[in-house]
Amino acid sequence: QLVLTQSPSASASLGASVKLTCTLSSGHSSYAIAWHQQQPEKGLRYLMNLNSDGSHIKGFGIPDRFSGSSSGAERYLTISSLQSEDEGDYYCQTWGTGKVVFGGGTKLTVL
Amino acid sequence: QVTLRESGPALVKPTQTLTLTCTFSGFSLSTSGMCVTWIRQPPGKALEWLARIDWDDDKYYSTSLRTRLTISKDTSKNQVVLTLTNMDPVDTGTYYCARFTTGTTAIDYWGQGTLVTVSS
Repeated sequence: QLVLTQSPSASASLGASVKLTCTLSSGHSSYAIAWHQQQPEKGLRYLMNLNSDGSHIKGFGIPDRFSGSSSGAERYLTISSLQSEDEGDYYCQTWGTGKVVFGGGTKLTVL
Repeated sequence: QVTLRESGPALVKPTQTLTLTCTFSGFSLSTSGMCVTWIRQPPGKALEWLARIDWDDDKYYSTSLRTRLTISKDTSKNQVVLTLTNMDPVDTGTYYCARFTTGTTAIDYWGQGTLVTVSS
């Protein structure tokens, strides 16, 4: 079964970097995923599509502070030079077995 | 510029049928690889995928909601319609439509969402 696993929460200080993780279930380590951001009380924004080799395509207007990388079944979103507006929920998403699959989301707190 | 906008009732009664319309621009649902998908989010909870319709009229549904969902498209109007029957208070949440492309298997544009409350 295709499942995406995310840690429920993460925190980092203003100006620092943070690395969020999305883990693909066994047998699905070759899958590409997408990262999406949801700021508090706002809608969703596509950040990037991330392949198993670490190559990624960012959405329109996404700052260079956002980058992606991969290792095995893990997909990472790194946000550098954290700003207060980066606080919010981050979801990973993929497609397989006839359905869109979302991770449970990671709530990022900027300290 | 790709945009999507959801429209429909803000309040529905239990047992009623919800009908939501997604009106989009900036792409055509007759172009190979283009799809529109619906997702919902109960208050304070995570995203839940509902359904997807493709340029070639293939349709996919959430396993748990399959019997209650119908998705359809009107390519000439750039609209996708989602119906969810037998509404229940647990169906309360924000409903989003989004563009999905098969080339990347990613949702790459989101609508702003519409809040639907189920209450008598």
